[in-house]
Amino acid sequence: GDSVTQMEGPVTLSEEAFLTINCTYTATGYPSLFWYVQYPGEGLQLLLKATKADDKGSNKGFEATYRKETTSFHLEKGSVQVSDSAVYFCALILAGETSGSRLTFGEGTQLTVNP
Amino acid sequence: GAVVSQHPSWVICKSGTSVKIECRSLDFQATTMFWYRQFPKQSLMLMATSNEGSKATYEQGVEKDKFLINHASLTLSTLTVTSAHPEDSSFYICSAGGLFQETQYFGPGTRLLVL
Repeated sequence: GDSVTQMEGPVTLSEEAFLTINCTYTATGYPSLFWYVQYPGEGLQLLLKATKADDKGSNKGFEATYRKETTSFHLEKGSVQVSDSAVYFCALILAGETSGSRLTFGEGTQLTVNP
Repeated sequence: GAVVSQHPSWVICKSGTSVKIECRSLDFQATTMFWYRQFPKQSLMLMATSNEGSKATYEQGVEKDKFLINHASLTLSTLTVTSAHPEDSSFYICSAGGLFQETQYFGPGTRLLVL
């Protein structure tokens, strides 16, 4: 079945450090891939997405590239800020499915950025 | 992006009472809504999927008589926790999606505390 695996957290960085959160997936065909962010006490917000191989999603300085050959969608940011402290979830929807279909989530990675 | 609201954001109730949580898609029609439960420092657990006008589909292990879901319109779904007990205390999050949405959009969550 389909699954998403994220790097284990928590991740603690200093402000302006480089961030990578690894995400790999298992799915039939080419799913759509997403990164969601959850700030403390809040619901999830869509951070970025990619719907086909080699697509790069980007938003707020974060980037992730859909790598078919490695079945990966790693999240990166060149210089993190304290305000980026949150939990980050990688997720997928199966190929051909709409947003009316269930998302498969990774376990989430807690990021803490210290000043 | 699309907006999904939840009400209430916080609820405290006595054991044995029932609590209703509303999930609304404010600027789009959601053919499908999802209800999740999230425990501290954990990922989201899908409880059920509801399609407008039809019965909800519950995940294995979720008591349908305990967690009543109604999706009466394309913009509103409700989750009623019946005869709530302390073990039902949790963070409940809804999301909404559909044929014309690029992804699911999440509500801000409802924190339930049962005393």
